[in-house]
Formats: sequence, structure tokens, C-alpha cells
Amino acid sequence: EPEVTQTPSHQVTQMGQEVILRCVPISNHLYFYWYRQILGQKVEFLVSFYNNEISEKSEIFDDQFSVERPDGSNFTLKIRSTKLEDSAMYFCASSGRGIQYFGPGTRLLVL
Amino acid sequence: RKEVEQDPGPFNVPEGATVAFNCTYSNSASQSFFWYRQDCRKEPKLLMSVYSSGNEDGRFTAQLNRASQYISLLIRDSKLSDSATYLCVVNIRPVGNQGGKLIFGQGTELSVKP
Repeated sequence: EPEVTQTPSHQVTQMGQEVILRCVPISNHLYFYWYRQILGQKVEFLVSFYNNEISEKSEIFDDQFSVERPDGSNFTLKIRSTKLEDSAMYFCASSGRGIQYFGPGTRLLVL
Repeated sequence: RKEVEQDPGPFNVPEGATVAFNCTYSNSASQSFFWYRQDCRKEPKLLMSVYSSGNEDGRFTAQLNRASQYISLLIRDSKLSDSATYLCVVNIRPVGNQGGKLIFGQGTELSVKP
């Protein structure tokens, strides 16, 4: 069964550093998403991406965040200058025209 | 008002019990509805979509009431393996955006005991 994959599974970084989180969506899906979940809180939408451009983004997705589909398979989330409050689990998801399927997540810890 | 509201629980039930989860949503533009399941520190996994006509998948029954903006999930004959957090989720799709975004509730924690 096809699945969304994410790397790395864990990332520890210093405040102010740039991080890139990587995702490989399900191969025939056209819509890609990033969500985050701060420990103990609900899953929150960050951004959706379709046809090589952002479809929608939340208030959380400020100028420090960017997304890219650098090739035919990868979908990345970049945080330019990490803050302590960026510590969270980051989930990538993809969908065809309906159900969104989630990757296993990257746990980001900013020190 | 929260966009998707659930009782956080925890619900502690014995094996074999029937348990019901309720959820309300505030955005009438919500277009599709789901229950996801999340195990500790793992990704959300789709349990089932929810339709106005009601739908059943084995021991699980989901119901949607659009008029009252209410979603429910019933688990019958609960198993130890049902222990997880159950997430009520709505999809809001702006016009022209087939993908949309998922809005999650806080989740209801279920613990099934032997």
C-alpha cells in the first residue's frame, strides 16, 4: 500500500538555524500539505500546495516558512530561522481529490 | 468558539463496552467530515469518512447532522487495540480549491481496559 514518507524522523537544532523537512507524497497524488502538532495540542494546518504553488496558508505560516517541490517526488518545508516555539511534530500529507493521508512526521526540537 | 470541539476525555472503558464520541463544528462551509485515529506520538490515520446518511464499518458507526453541525462516532464491543485518541476532523474547501484544509478537534482519548 502506497504511503507518505518523511525524513528525518527527528531533528534537533539551535534557535536561529534553518531546517528543511522532507516528504515524499504518494506518487499519484496532486495535493500536498504540511500540518504541525505542538506537544499536547491539536493538529494544525500550515499550508496546502497544488500545481507548484501554494493554495492556502494559515496564520502560522509566516515569512519564516516556505515550501517547495524541487523535483517530481519530494515536497519540502523550510523554516528559515527557527524559534523555540517551532518545536513540534510536523506532518506532511497528500491527497488525490479526497482523503488526506499523513506521513509519520518529523519531530523538531529547537534548543 | 473552537472550530471543532470534542470532549477531551479520557474515556476509560472495559473491553466489550460501547462508547460514543461527540463532536460539533462551527464553520458551516465545512464540506467533508472524518474521524481519524491517532496513537501516541504517531500520525493521524483515517478511521472513516462521515456522511449524513450514516455509515458503518464493522464495529464503528459514524453519523453527521449538518443542521445541528454535529458528528458522532460509536464503537461497539471495544477492544484493547481501540485505545487511542480519536480526532474529529472537517475539511474546508474554498471555491476552486479541490484540496482544502483539515481542521482538527483536540481529540478524545480512549483507554480500553481488560
